[in-house]
Amino acid sequence: GAGVSQSPSNKVTEKGKDVELRCDPISGHTALYWYRQRLGQGLEFLIYFQGNSAPDKSGLPSDRFSAERTGESVSTLTIQRTQQEDSAVYLCASSSLDSLDEAFFGQGTRLTVV
Amino acid sequence: GESVGLHLPTLSVQEGDNSIINCAYSNSASDYFIWYKQESGKGPQFIIDIRSNMDKRQGQRVTVLLNKTVKHLSLQIAATQPGDSAVYFCAENGELTGGGNKLTFGTGTQLKVEL
Repeated sequence: GAGVSQSPSNKVTEKGKDVELRCDPISGHTALYWYRQRLGQGLEFLIYFQGNSAPDKSGLPSDRFSAERTGESVSTLTIQRTQQEDSAVYLCASSSLDSLDEAFFGQGTRLTVV
Repeated sequence: GESVGLHLPTLSVQEGDNSIINCAYSNSASDYFIWYKQESGKGPQFIIDIRSNMDKRQGQRVTVLLNKTVKHLSLQIAATQPGDSAVYFCAENGELTGGGNKLTFGTGTQLKVEL
């Protein structure tokens, strides 16, 4: 596709369940970021992938959060044993090696933990 | 820790007026800033950026001003239109291992354009 695609758009899950969020970056973009956005707040950095390098996981809030990316394609963000405070919009962004400064965002996945 | 924050959570302007959205940052070593626009239900969209070796940068109807002395930057939107209604974030750009950028975002300002 032409832009960053995220699925699902909305996800409602019960407390304690695991969820998996998907991000399809722009084709050819080597860098991929995950951010979390709580209601009325700015974006919190979670994790960064660049090509085949080891990811920067410095933003992951707990060991319940993990992310994978195969090569320069799809990424999945997994949240285990979800808690109510995990409710937020999870945004994915990608950028090209030639323009690492400008990241293009997807529309996000709105996660609600009940 | 370092932070990027905004002065006002909501700004209401009349259509056709100029809008000024402010942002304060605390990391004096910050050398690159980006403004993003986020419309309801969408991801942030890049508007304009500025590096610390500049005081001003202009785009189409937008101008970003950087005052390093007081660690403040602003986004000016000329002749504000209804389509400008959105949340505006300033972001501080820090380098990550392996290149790339970790964007640290402020809370955001909701811009409302009144007809």
